[in-house]
Amino acid sequence: DIQLTQSPSSLSASVGDRVTITCRASQTISNSLNWYQQKPGKVPKLVIYAASSLQSGVPSRFSGSGSGTDFTLTISSLQPEDFATYYCQQSYTSPMYTFGQGTKLELK
Amino acid sequence: EVQLVESGGGLVQPGGSLRLSCGASGFTFNRYEMNWVRQAPGKGLEWISYISQSGGAKHYAASVTGRFTISRDNGKNSLFLQMDSLRPDDTAVYYCARQRAGTGRNVWFDPWGQGTLVTVSS
Repeated sequence: DIQLTQSPSSLSASVGDRVTITCRASQTISNSLNWYQQKPGKVPKLVIYAASSLQSGVPSRFSGSGSGTDFTLTISSLQPEDFATYYCQQSYTSPMYTFGQGTKLELK
Repeated sequence: EVQLVESGGGLVQPGGSLRLSCGASGFTFNRYEMNWVRQAPGKGLEWISYISQSGGAKHYAASVTGRFTISRDNGKNSLFLQMDSLRPDDTAVYYCARQRAGTGRNVWFDPWGQGTLVTVSS
């Protein structure tokens, strides 16, 4: 099974900060990596798919990069609405999938 | 508007059964693969099951294999999850999610339903 490890597990940041979240796969997954945002009590929302493609309607301050085993989600200038938990997901083993454990982004 | 609406959650005793439903609207349901994902209270996301467009292919996470059964009724635009032999650690919000496909092995889930809470407790 492919394991995904996100780091950090939690992160405190301020509005305007540049933030990077990392997702590491236990084996190569090419670019088959997605990122989701989940706010408390809300439904997960797709942010980035195929490692670097921005989902329609998502602000351009979000970007994704990486290939193989190491991936990053970057928010260039944090906005108040960006404070949430972020999950990575691999689809390399489709149609069976794995999520990372999540990274909680909190206001400093 | 593309929409997924789950129903059927509730309180059930350990060893009991429950059937979840997910109604789809706003898109051609029979053209899409579908999934179930769950989230235990205060925990992360766990993929649990997949079904192909026709229903001919089904896959499950090890944690639910042999106890849960995914199915669909394309004529009624509905997805189902039959859950048997329920255990306390099955307590979670259960989401249905539409699968989108890109090139190669790139697939992603969008949108997700609002979720339905299943509580397994005596």
